[in-house]
Amino acid sequence: GQNIDQPTEMTATEGAIVQINCTYQTSGFNGLFWYQQHAGEAPTFLSYNVLDGLEEKGRFSSFLSRSKGYSYLLLKELQMKDSASYLCASSGRRDDKIIFGKGTRLHILP
Amino acid sequence: DVKVTQSSRYLVKRTGEKVFLECVQDMDHENMFWYRQDPGLGLRLIYFSYDVKMKEKGDIPEGYSVSREKKERFSLILESASTNQTSMYLCAIARALWGANVLTFGAGSRLTVL
Repeated sequence: GQNIDQPTEMTATEGAIVQINCTYQTSGFNGLFWYQQHAGEAPTFLSYNVLDGLEEKGRFSSFLSRSKGYSYLLLKELQMKDSASYLCASSGRRDDKIIFGKGTRLHILP
Repeated sequence: DVKVTQSSRYLVKRTGEKVFLECVQDMDHENMFWYRQDPGLGLRLIYFSYDVKMKEKGDIPEGYSVSREKKERFSLILESASTNQTSMYLCAIARALWGANVLTFGAGSRLTVL
């Protein structure tokens, strides 16, 4: 089966850095995704990792350790618009179902 | 950019009614998904489909069925709606990027069952 855990809520300050952790257990692994979801909107794709290491994309970076079943999303230079839920998702073998964690609601304080 | 359209943003139905939620894509993507999203429970997979007339159960298929008669359309059916099916329903298509299925979601359909 598949199980994904991430913190329910986090709070950070505008301009700061925040790291959102995700642990996963899957039968057959084909990648770890991060999605962003603003209140009242649909999730949108942020990043994908299939190999160990850090993938950087502007202010957002995502890290994966396959041996530890662990990923994190790193957000730098936080802006108020980054207030959203961040969803960790895992994919099994290709074309298999994609399962989401419950999401981490990130609050940004001015 | 791919477009995923869900026919209704808001629906209010009564217990026992049959409910159809429609999802249409404008590209030729094979993989389509139906999720429901509830506070504290996150996104949960109901059904998905690899191709026309093909369907696979997700984690919570009970009380739901699906139909995929044409590649561009994936319908979620509640045969007899119940109050515990009040939820936000999200349809998604999968695009193959870097060897992975990246999801693009529709805007969602918020269903209230009275």
